[in-house]
Amino acid sequence: AQSVTQPDIHITVSEGASLELRCNYSYGATPYLFWYVQSPGQGLQLLLKYFSGDTLVQGIKGFEAEFKRSQSSFNLRKPSVHWSDAAEYFCAVGDTGGGNKLTFGTGTQLKVEL
Amino acid sequence: NAGVTQTPKFRILKIGQSMTLQCAQDMNHNYMYWYRQDPGMGLKLIYYSVGAGITDKGEVPNGYNVSRSTTEDFPLRLELAAPSQTSVYFCASRAGSSGNTIYFGEGSWLTVV
Repeated sequence: AQSVTQPDIHITVSEGASLELRCNYSYGATPYLFWYVQSPGQGLQLLLKYFSGDTLVQGIKGFEAEFKRSQSSFNLRKPSVHWSDAAEYFCAVGDTGGGNKLTFGTGTQLKVEL
Repeated sequence: NAGVTQTPKFRILKIGQSMTLQCAQDMNHNYMYWYRQDPGMGLKLIYYSVGAGITDKGEVPNGYNVSRSTTEDFPLRLELAAPSQTSVYFCASRAGSSGNTIYFGEGSWLTVV
């Protein structure tokens, strides 16, 4: 069965600092990988996704993620964090079979200090 | 451009009551999903559907039922509500091609007391 691990429950960074959120997955084949962001009281918004091809994926709001098959990782990065980036971030793996169901990690809560 | 619409947004139920969470999408998506989100637990799949008339269990289906009589609608039924069903529920949908983006509704906050 597929699974996702986000080892950091909470992360605090200063505004303007760089950010990296870790994500490790377990899946038997080449996975579909996603990062979603959730602001308080809101639904989930897709930041970026990886299906195939270039392992460095660009997303919205200046985020990027790199797929590393050898490390089973899909870490999210941003060079300079803005206060509005404070939110919860979820990594997810999608099965490539019927249903394309998403399995989510437990999330990383990002706090941005001004 | 409505996307995925969930109703109600908030609801308080008494133990043993039943209710239906409504979900509708206007994107003609074949695939629809119901997730629940508990603090510190991420999202867990309850049920999903790959098209009208077809539903299947996800990771945590106990205590819930679904139906999919139309492409647009995917209601989630809670029978005999229990405190363990206090959660935030998200409906989602995607187009039929494998790997397409899954779009989420804004969530339904349910409290069982």
